[in-house]
Amino acid sequence: QVQLVQSGAEVKKPGASVKVSCKASGYTFTSYGISWVRQAPGQGLEWMGWISAYNGNTNYAQKLQGRVTMTTDTSTSTAYMELRSLRSDDTAVYYCARASIAAAGLALDYWGQGTLVTVSS
Amino acid sequence: QSVLTQPPSVSAAPGQRVTISCSGSSSNIRNNFVSWYQQFPGAAPKLLIYENNKRPSGIPDRFSGSKSGTSATLGITGLQTGDEAHYHCGTWDSSLSVVVFGGGTQLTVL
Repeated sequence: QVQLVQSGAEVKKPGASVKVSCKASGYTFTSYGISWVRQAPGQGLEWMGWISAYNGNTNYAQKLQGRVTMTTDTSTSTAYMELRSLRSDDTAVYYCARASIAAAGLALDYWGQGTLVTVSS
Repeated sequence: QSVLTQPPSVSAAPGQRVTISCSGSSSNIRNNFVSWYQQFPGAAPKLLIYENNKRPSGIPDRFSGSKSGTSATLGITGLQTGDEAHYHCGTWDSSLSVVVFGGGTQLTVL
């Protein structure tokens, strides 16, 4: 069965960086993309970007351009999301989700369990 | 402020039918597929509807989706207490070049 297992919770200081991993299993990793979505406490969902696990092409939300990098390691079927220059409003649960390889805007059919990132001095 | 507009909450009695609306614009809903997600407290979202009205395997046919113009609707029939959750709509926005979501709707089954 398809599973996305994310790394554990992180606590970071403002200005630091965080790198969240998302290990996929149960499907051919390079046949899909991975989207990252975050959810601040009590808020709605915010799409951060998408990466093709086939060729590494990325599509980032303009709001996060320059602070976010998404990568994949096809040898371990793992996706990574790094967010730099963290601010308090980056405190959120970060989700990875399986996406279409064709386009960033299609449905997200399987989700990781979420990783809480807390930014606090 | 979300790009897609959903009612903050809806409620209905067990066994009844409820609809949740998702309002957008020509740059998002009108020209792109809409998805719906169900989220329980403390859990990850789960895909309920994709491509406006298709259900993934395992999703009961009590859940349905539709789209007309710049709005989409999620319908749930035969409400059960286990349907109490947050429901989110999402789609691509061609002008912003991002996936956009509604603010989410809390469903209460009275």
